[in-house]
Amino acid sequence: GNSVTQMEGPVTLSEEAFLTINCTYTATGYPSLFWYVQYPGEGLQLLLKATKADDKGSNKGFEATYRKETTSFHLEKGSVQVSDSAVYFCALSESGNTPLVFGKGTRLSVIA
Amino acid sequence: NAGVTQTPKFQVLKTGQSMTLQCAQDMNHEYMSWYRQDPGMGLRLIHYSVGAGITDQGEVPNGYNVSRSTTEDFPLRLLSAAPSQTSVYFCASSPRARSSYNSPLHFGNGTRLTVT
Repeated sequence: GNSVTQMEGPVTLSEEAFLTINCTYTATGYPSLFWYVQYPGEGLQLLLKATKADDKGSNKGFEATYRKETTSFHLEKGSVQVSDSAVYFCALSESGNTPLVFGKGTRLSVIA
Repeated sequence: NAGVTQTPKFQVLKTGQSMTLQCAQDMNHEYMSWYRQDPGMGLRLIHYSVGAGITDQGEVPNGYNVSRSTTEDFPLRLLSAAPSQTSVYFCASSPRARSSYNSPLHFGNGTRLTVT
């Protein structure tokens, strides 16, 4: 079946540090890939997505590139801020009426 | 612009009690779903619905019932609460019946449930 594996957290960084959160996936077909973010006390919200190989999703300074050859969708940001402290979830969805499959989430704490 | 509204925000139950978690969306979304979030387990799908009158089981459906009599509402029922159901519950919806393929999920702010 389909699955998503994320790096375990928590991740603690100083403000303006470079961020990478690794995500790899297993899928039988050609999924769409997503990163969702959950700020404290809130539900998840979509951060970025990519729907085919070599696509790059980007939003709020975050980027992730759909790499079919390595089945990966790593999240990066060049300079994190305290306000980026949240839990980040990688997810995939194949075509059709198939629900999203989420990774376990990675908690990021950014300290000033 | 309400989006997805979940009530209550917090609930404490005793083992064996029943209750219904409410979820309503005002975006005319076809797809609705319930997830539970547990430490170290991420999000796990409980039940989902691709339209009024249609529901299906997710990864962890045991102990939960759902119905979808209207497009707007998707309540989750716990018939006999157990401590293993202590969790944070999220309702999420999506515009099209094709769940989240190219169509992101909109989440509510969650219900924190404790069963003692």
